[in-house]
Amino acid sequence: DIQMTQSPSSLSASVGDRVTIICQASQDISSFLNWYQQKPGKAPKLLIYDASNLETGVPSRFSGSGSGTDFTFTITSLQPEDIGTYYCQQFDNLPPSTFGQGTRLEIK
Amino acid sequence: QVQLQESGPGLVKPSETLSLTCTVSGGSISSYYWSWIRQSPGKGLEWIGSIFYSGSTDYSPSLKSRVTISVDTSKNQFSLRLTSVTAADTAMYYCARGKWRPYYLDYWGQGTLVTVSS
Repeated sequence: DIQMTQSPSSLSASVGDRVTIICQASQDISSFLNWYQQKPGKAPKLLIYDASNLETGVPSRFSGSGSGTDFTFTITSLQPEDIGTYYCQQFDNLPPSTFGQGTRLEIK
Repeated sequence: QVQLQESGPGLVKPSETLSLTCTVSGGSISSYYWSWIRQSPGKGLEWIGSIFYSGSTDYSPSLKSRVTISVDTSKNQFSLRLTSVTAADTAMYYCARGKWRPYYLDYWGQGTLVTVSS
């Protein structure tokens, strides 16, 4: 199975800050990576698909980039409603599709 | 607006079979790749498997010997069966609609908590 490693596992930032989360794959997955946001007690929500494509209706402050083994998820200006846990998901060489362990984002 | 709703028992005894159904409303079950994902309490997400509307399936190798996913297009439903459950199968179970290809999960159910306990 392809292993996905996210960093950091948690982070605290202030409103308005630029936030970056890294996802690293154990092997080349081309651009086959998605990003999700999960708020407490809720199902995950798709934000970015295929590494850099913004899902319809998702604010433009969210973005993704990368290919191969290294991927970046960015929030350009953190808002209070952005708190939650963020997961990357690879879909190359499926099955299985695998998720990163998650990054918990808090507001300072 | 597409909506997904999981249903099934919230409590299953060890060694028995977990059975869940996902009912899709607001859209057809055709042309998509329907998936099951679970999340153990306080843990991350685990992909269980998926089924195309045609009936073709993919399963996680770690669960493959115990998992069956099926689809009933006449009822706009798909289902999960997990046999020989243990406490390690206690989790929130989500169903989701998958686009293919690229593969991504754009609509999710609210999730249903299944506890394995005697």
